[in-house]
Amino acid sequence: DVVMTQSPLSLPVTLGQPASISCRSSQSLVYSDGNTYLNWFQQRPGQSPRRLIYKVSNRDSGVPDRFSGSGSGTDFTLQISRVEAEDVGVYYCMQGTRWPYTFGQGTKLEIK
Amino acid sequence: EVQLVESGGGLVQPGGSLRLSCAASGFTFSSHWMSWVRQAPGKGLEWVANIKQEGSEKDYVDSVKGRFTISRDNAKNSLYLQMNSLRAEDTAVYYCTRGLLNIWGQGTMVTVSS
Repeated sequence: DVVMTQSPLSLPVTLGQPASISCRSSQSLVYSDGNTYLNWFQQRPGQSPRRLIYKVSNRDSGVPDRFSGSGSGTDFTLQISRVEAEDVGVYYCMQGTRWPYTFGQGTKLEIK
Repeated sequence: EVQLVESGGGLVQPGGSLRLSCAASGFTFSSHWMSWVRQAPGKGLEWVANIKQEGSEKDYVDSVKGRFTISRDNAKNSLYLQMNSLRAEDTAVYYCTRGLLNIWGQGTMVTVSS
């Protein structure tokens, strides 16, 4: 199975400051069709997860443009340009290239 | 409004069975892969199973193979997960999801305990 490793696992951030989460996969996530199926999810306290980013860098509808995704191959990053109070929660990366699709351990973002 | 609503969770003894259902609305259900993803209490996410649009292809994570069966009824816009031989480690919130997880339900809790 593809192992997804996130860092850091805990991320205290001051309001208005940037934040960055790293995600590394144990194998390349480039699929045979040329796409890289690396997604990012946000789970606010007490809520279902919500997809933020798909195929590395595409924002889902309604996702603020302060969220951005980048990376290639095995190294990926989720960046938040200016953290707001509503961003508190756990963030997961997930690969949808090789079955079984697998998630990272999660990064808990909190406000300092 | 696009919506997924799960039901069927509850408390079951080890070795028992449970059938989860997911009612879809607001989109063309038969056009999408569907999946079940679970989250153990205080833990991360695990993709459990998925099923192709017409039901011809199904995939399962190794830990549930031979025990869980995913199915769908496109005429009823419904997704199902039949869970047999349940174990304590199957205790989790089970989410119904669409496609590559762009839509999630609210989840239904399954507790396996004596």
